[in-house]
Amino acid sequence: AQSVAQPEDQVNVAEGNPLTVKCTYSVSGNPYLFWYVQYPNRGLQFLLKYITGDNLVKGSYGFEAEFNKSQTSFHLKKPSALVSDSALYFCAVREDGGATNKLIFGTGTLLAVQP
Amino acid sequence: SAVISQKPSRDICQRGTSLTIQCQVDSQVTMMFWYRQQPGQSLTLIATANQGSEATYESGFVIDKFPISRPNLTFSTLTVSNMSPEDSSIYLCSGLTGKGTEAFFGQGTRLTVV
Repeated sequence: AQSVAQPEDQVNVAEGNPLTVKCTYSVSGNPYLFWYVQYPNRGLQFLLKYITGDNLVKGSYGFEAEFNKSQTSFHLKKPSALVSDSALYFCAVREDGGATNKLIFGTGTLLAVQP
Repeated sequence: SAVISQKPSRDICQRGTSLTIQCQVDSQVTMMFWYRQQPGQSLTLIATANQGSEATYESGFVIDKFPISRPNLTFSTLTVSNMSPEDSSIYLCSGLTGKGTEAFFGQGTRLTVV
């Protein structure tokens, strides 16, 4: 069965510092991996995805993520955090070629960027 | 990409009543999904909305409680029936296009049952 783990409920970082939000996954086949962000009282916004190819993928708002197959991880990163990055971040996985196309979400990590 | 509109954006309902949430996509999507996000929780898939046929429900969700319709490729509804305070959640509609691999989400419907 597919699963996603986000081990940190909250990540605190000072503005201007680099940030990392962790995600590990489990699928039986090849993974499709995604990061979404949710601002208060808003729906989910797509940030980036890994399907195949280069392990480092770049997305919206300066975010990037690195796919590590051996560690089954897909950590979200940004070189310099902004206060406006403060939001709830979700990692999600879908299995390539799976019987369904449903996304399995992690529990979410609240990112708090202090000015 | 696809733009997904949901309505209502929020509602406060009496227990025992039902609420129907509408989801409209601006372009054809191959698959549509309904998720629930309980307070402080992650997203849980309720069902896959199938065009012209019965939805495919996930474990723990049943058609009598969450009837879903999808009459065409761009529209779906979710009804939360016989509501109780435990149904208070954000309900999100999601669509997957044929070309894309990422799913797009509506802004959600925040439901409070009193």
